[in-house]
Amino acid sequence: GEQVEQRPPHLSVPEGDSAVIICTYTDSATAYFYWYKQEPGAGLQLLMSVFSNVDRKEEQGLTVLLNKKDKQLSLNLTAAHPGDSAVYFCAVSLNTGNYKYVFGAGTRLKVIA
Amino acid sequence: AQTIHQWPVAEIKAVGSPLSLGCTIKGKSSPNLYWYWQATGGTLQQLFYSITVGQVESVVQLNLSASRPKDDQFILSTEKLLLSHSGFYLCAWSLSSNERLFFGHGTKLSVL
Repeated sequence: GEQVEQRPPHLSVPEGDSAVIICTYTDSATAYFYWYKQEPGAGLQLLMSVFSNVDRKEEQGLTVLLNKKDKQLSLNLTAAHPGDSAVYFCAVSLNTGNYKYVFGAGTRLKVIA
Repeated sequence: AQTIHQWPVAEIKAVGSPLSLGCTIKGKSSPNLYWYWQATGGTLQQLFYSITVGQVESVVQLNLSASRPKDDQFILSTEKLLLSHSGFYLCAWSLSSNERLFFGHGTKLSVL
């Protein structure tokens, strides 16, 4: 089945710097891509979702890139601030009509003031 | 607006004891419902999903069961807890297949 590898597992960046998280998936039929943020002891909050016909999406200081050739999805937080410190997960879902979502292992981001 | 409520917030249970966790979604009829398990510091593992009342699909076997007795309610249970059941349980819903998931705040389960 689909597998998602996420890296790095831990990331520390100074305030104002960029933070980049990368996910690699295995199934070329994967069509739906998501990035979630999890604060300690809480549920997951959606940051951005993209469909496979999108290569780049930007919203509020976040940039998602999708490289279908390399089966790679990335999240770039530009100008990170301490409030961005959390665990970030990528998730993917296969073709339309699928109810299974596969998550990456998560990246613990710490933004140092 | 839709709301998702999970209960209890936290549980401490003994090995071998039964468990029942609940999830209620208000403000949306016929949502797709999901249960996820997250080991401490780990990723999310999808356990079950349900498209309609009375119908539950298992994604992975962890000696747990799920039921959907009402359109807005999803229950996760087991008759006998194992140490390996410890972790964080998250309920989620979506409008349709492949749509974004909306997560509850989760239930922290400690099995001793």
